[in-house]
Amino acid sequence: LAKTTQPISMDSYEGQEVNITCSHNNIATNDYITWYQQFPSQGPRFIIQGYKTKVTNEVASLFIPADRKSSTLSLPRVSLSDTAVYYCLVAPVTGGGNKLTFGTGTQLKVEL
Amino acid sequence: GAVVSQHPSWVICKSGTSVKIECRSLDFQATTMFWYRQFPKQSLMLMATSNEGSKATYEQGVEKDKFLINHASLTLSTLTVTSAHPEDSSFYICSATPFTGPSYEQYFGPGTRLTVT
Repeated sequence: LAKTTQPISMDSYEGQEVNITCSHNNIATNDYITWYQQFPSQGPRFIIQGYKTKVTNEVASLFIPADRKSSTLSLPRVSLSDTAVYYCLVAPVTGGGNKLTFGTGTQLKVEL
Repeated sequence: GAVVSQHPSWVICKSGTSVKIECRSLDFQATTMFWYRQFPKQSLMLMATSNEGSKATYEQGVEKDKFLINHASLTLSTLTVTSAHPEDSSFYICSATPFTGPSYEQYFGPGTRLTVT
């Protein structure tokens, strides 16, 4: 499984855009990039997933360059409730589910 | 979206006793479920892969005789911590992916906080 590297922590203010970059230099051809959010004492929650270029949903955007060795999760106009740990994972998508290896994650703290 | 539940949400037990944690997929079926453990301020660590109708696959360093996993049906997996000790106190989380259609998302349960006194 590809190893990922993220900043340990980030601080932001309400209303700002937050970009969290994840490095995954040894990503494999069949690997997808998935981001999860976790609040204290809760299970992780799926945010977004992509393979290449850009993916956007109602909560975030995911930017993946052509070489796919990194990816950036973009959260538009964050609020206090976005304070959480964000995990970047790289793994193949297979039927029935696949093992996920969680890295250290990025602790995002949003202030007023 | 798909929902995974866990029961109990928290449990306190005495050292030496066994504790069973249930993981259920409420609105989908899953042939594979995963069990994770998370210590305070740390990331999730995969413990084992639970396979319906067959033995679980444990990650290196996880004692299979201590952490018993049973995947009795397509919607239920159980983790039993046998002869629990204080160092087993942790946050246990399960996850599952629907086996029909694209497995783009892995759904996580809310977690179970285990405290061994």
